[in-house]
Amino acid sequence: RKEVEQDPGPFNVPEGATVAFNCTYSNSASQSFFWYRQDCRKEPKLLMSVYSSGNEDGRFTAQLNRASQYISLLIRDSKLSDSATYLCVVNIPDFSGGYNKLIFGAGTRLAVHP
Amino acid sequence: EADIYQTPRYLVIGTGKKITLECSQTMGHDKMYWYQQDPGMELHLIHYSYGVNSTEKGDLSSESTVSRIRTEHFPLTLESARPSHTSQYLCASSGLDREPAYEQYFGPGTRLTVT
Repeated sequence: RKEVEQDPGPFNVPEGATVAFNCTYSNSASQSFFWYRQDCRKEPKLLMSVYSSGNEDGRFTAQLNRASQYISLLIRDSKLSDSATYLCVVNIPDFSGGYNKLIFGAGTRLAVHP
Repeated sequence: EADIYQTPRYLVIGTGKKITLECSQTMGHDKMYWYQQDPGMELHLIHYSYGVNSTEKGDLSSESTVSRIRTEHFPLTLESARPSHTSQYLCASSGLDREPAYEQYFGPGTRLTVT
């Protein structure tokens, strides 16, 4: 089983639509969660961190459910420019080395059309 | 905007050549990483470094090696390139491990093709 699982999509939605992505993670010791955005043939860029209480940044809302080990990203009023791959990212504590590594999901592709 | 740079951006090279991919950051971050990503696939960590003179192998086995002699510089070397090394190589860095921030910032990547 993968440590971070996402629906690969693609999600094809019209402009203005609301779309939600889900992600599950397997390591219950994970403490930090992120959504990254990756455009085709570009590097990933941090979209937002995900906090326990849920957080919102403009049209984007992230939620965390620790009991179910589940993270979501909601995009409202989709724009053409939102078309990208959205990566769910979870930290995995490495207590032996004192290092926290990030595990990247394979990503969910979003295509917003006119 | 993160200040992390990679050169070259694109490299086409023949089998058996030695190559070094450069990565540098000006943020003073102590942690740096190398990922490998094939088109449409997830990122795989191949090397990381906690700081100067510290390097570790990542989750994906790689024939490449890295060094960290200066905080800002984390080059990756392939002694003898093979077609199986064709991929995109992404360098990233992060600052202090403080809750909840472990954000990593990525360079633009090097797209390597070995013929």
